Amino acid sequence: DAGVTQSPTHLIKTRGQQVTLRCSPISGHKSVSWYQQVLGQGPQFIFQYYEKEERGRGNFPDRFSARQFPNYSSELNVNALLLGDSALYLCASSLASGNNSPLHFGNGTRLTVT
Amino acid sequence: SQQGEEDPQALSIQEGENATMNCSYKTSINNLQWYRQNSGRGLVHLILIRSNEREKHSGRLRVTLDTSKKSSSLLITASRAADTASYFCATYSNYGGATNKLIFGTGTLLAVQP
Repeated sequence: DAGVTQSPTHLIKTRGQQVTLRCSPISGHKSVSWYQQVLGQGPQFIFQYYEKEERGRGNFPDRFSARQFPNYSSELNVNALLLGDSALYLCASSLASGNNSPLHFGNGTRLTVT
Repeated sequence: SQQGEEDPQALSIQEGENATMNCSYKTSINNLQWYRQNSGRGLVHLILIRSNEREKHSGRLRVTLDTSKKSSSLLITASRAADTASYFCATYSNYGGATNKLIFGTGTLLAVQP
């Protein structure tokens, strides 16, 4: 079975631009979460969607938004990019929402903002 | 903010030796998870230990949990060069909640020398 897939793998953008990152969960998984990982740190939670509804939002500005589609795939959008948005963006899926569901991560999208 | 803090930040050992990493967390938990991340790639779920468990094994991995001290340890026995990676502990942000917002520690970078 295919794991969590993310696209693109790498992306270079200029300050002020907008970016859309995509994620396809493992087949049958209804929950998708997004994490930002800055070099040398652990991943930081951005959003979680379950059954197309937002279930959680981390401490990120309104420039960050996301959505989940009927097929459970998801997009993360970041507007007005800043240099500090340069990071590895990780998508994770799980069967269900809640405290007993291990997350399955994709390999991430490496975003560089110049 | 980070929920867990791993110790040490970096660890270098020879192949065949055991590696021990420690994690401390701050709030009540349902369970604690350990993940591995190879350089620049996604995280892989290793093991989940529930709050009513004290020890759990999976292959060469042994995890302990002490809820009174809010700490956990991960032991990798008979390490191999392929174990070289960053290791993170993670707990859910809201005890018994409906989201799966994971809070990750800062990670331990393990280098296994052949």
